[in-house]
Amino acid sequence: DAKTTQPPSMDCAEGRAANLPCNHSTISGNEYVYWYRQIHSQGPQYIIHGLKNNETNEMASLIITEDRKSSTLILPHATLRDTAVYYCIVRLPLNAGNNRKLIWGLGTSLAVNP
Amino acid sequence: DAGVIQSPRHEVTEMGQEVTLRCKPISGHDYLFWYRQTMMRGLELLIYFNNNVPIDDSGMPEDRFSAKMPNASFSTLKIQPSEPRDSAVYFCASSLGRRGAKNIQYFGAGTRLSVL
Repeated sequence: DAKTTQPPSMDCAEGRAANLPCNHSTISGNEYVYWYRQIHSQGPQYIIHGLKNNETNEMASLIITEDRKSSTLILPHATLRDTAVYYCIVRLPLNAGNNRKLIWGLGTSLAVNP
Repeated sequence: DAGVIQSPRHEVTEMGQEVTLRCKPISGHDYLFWYRQTMMRGLELLIYFNNNVPIDDSGMPEDRFSAKMPNASFSTLKIQPSEPRDSAVYFCASSLGRRGAKNIQYFGAGTRLSVL
């Protein structure tokens, strides 16, 4: 699976959009981008994933560049409860025989400030 | 569904003692994962099961660690004997592996283990 690079920390003002970048320059054509977050003292929580197109759900939006070498997770109106470590993970699609491992980096520690 | 359930939430033990961590995956999920998280090493996959069968245990640090999944609704991670360097938060996660599923891993709240 491709390696990802994220800034170690970011700050965001409450109510503003939080834009978390992720570089995955070695991504291959059929690898998906997944985002999880981990709030302090809790287990990681799935946020969103995508392949080529931009995706949006009730939690966030995922913007993937046309060359797929980077992506941005957008929390449109960050709240104090969004303070967490955000992990960007790249993995192959699930076909028979594919390894199910997710390779977790150190993520981005997002602090949402009042 | 109640989600992935882990017990105990906290465990404090002395070096040399046996420790058993427990996990109940989400009903219907056919993949189960055990992770360990420390400040120094982040989140590490220890082992995962598919349909109760261990698929990849390459992350298990040494023979002191063992994991079992006797049925679809229960798994254990055992450390015997425990050492202070085993102190960490241990997470269990489960996912649905059928074709077309999104491969989302759902995590439990974790067990914080302290070995004195």
